[in-house]
Amino acid sequence: DAGVIQSPRHEVTEMGQEVTLRCKPISGHDYLFWYRQTMMRGLELLIYFNNNVPIDDSGMPEDRFSAKMPNASFSTLKIQPSEPRDSAVYFCASSFYGTTYNEQFFGPGTRLTVL
Amino acid sequence: GQQVMQIPQYQHVQEGEDFTTYCNSSTTLSNIQWYKQRPGGHPVFLIQLVKSGEVKKQKRLTFQFGEAKKNSSLHITATQTTDVGTYFCAGPGDYKLSFGAGTTVTVRA
Repeated sequence: DAGVIQSPRHEVTEMGQEVTLRCKPISGHDYLFWYRQTMMRGLELLIYFNNNVPIDDSGMPEDRFSAKMPNASFSTLKIQPSEPRDSAVYFCASSFYGTTYNEQFFGPGTRLTVL
Repeated sequence: GQQVMQIPQYQHVQEGEDFTTYCNSSTTLSNIQWYKQRPGGHPVFLIQLVKSGEVKKQKRLTFQFGEAKKNSSLHITATQTTDVGTYFCAGPGDYKLSFGAGTTVTVRA
């Protein structure tokens, strides 16, 4: 299995621009998570989906952030408009409920820099 | 919401020495998971603890879950350069995880 795939791996954009981050979870996994990691705030859960349905988006910072999961193999996290404080590493993770540990498998992350 | 706190934030260890990192929760955890993130990498699952007082070992790593299920520890013996990275605890483990701030470990050769 290829693991969780994220694209792009690096994104540099200017303040005010729209940014779209993409994630392909591990095939067969029914949970998908979006995290943001910064030095100041650590690893924060933004939103998670179960069977493509958003379950908890309480971690989404504000209305500028939105996430979708149109099918079991694809999810996007969009920031519009982007701001310098959105600069962070964004991780997507997936898991399958029913395994021994329900562990989360993380993708390599997208490093976002907003100038 | 559920929060887990980790100490210390940084651990500088001489190669060959032992060290321990601690994770504490204000509420009882149903279970707790540990992850490791190498510099520039992504978190990778290490282990999950479920039972009160549970102890699990992975080679030189020993994980323990407190009797009250409010704290956990990770003890590494004979630290090697491959142990470099940030170790996170996360709870409660079902679907929605709250990650601790992590303990970042550096090793002096």
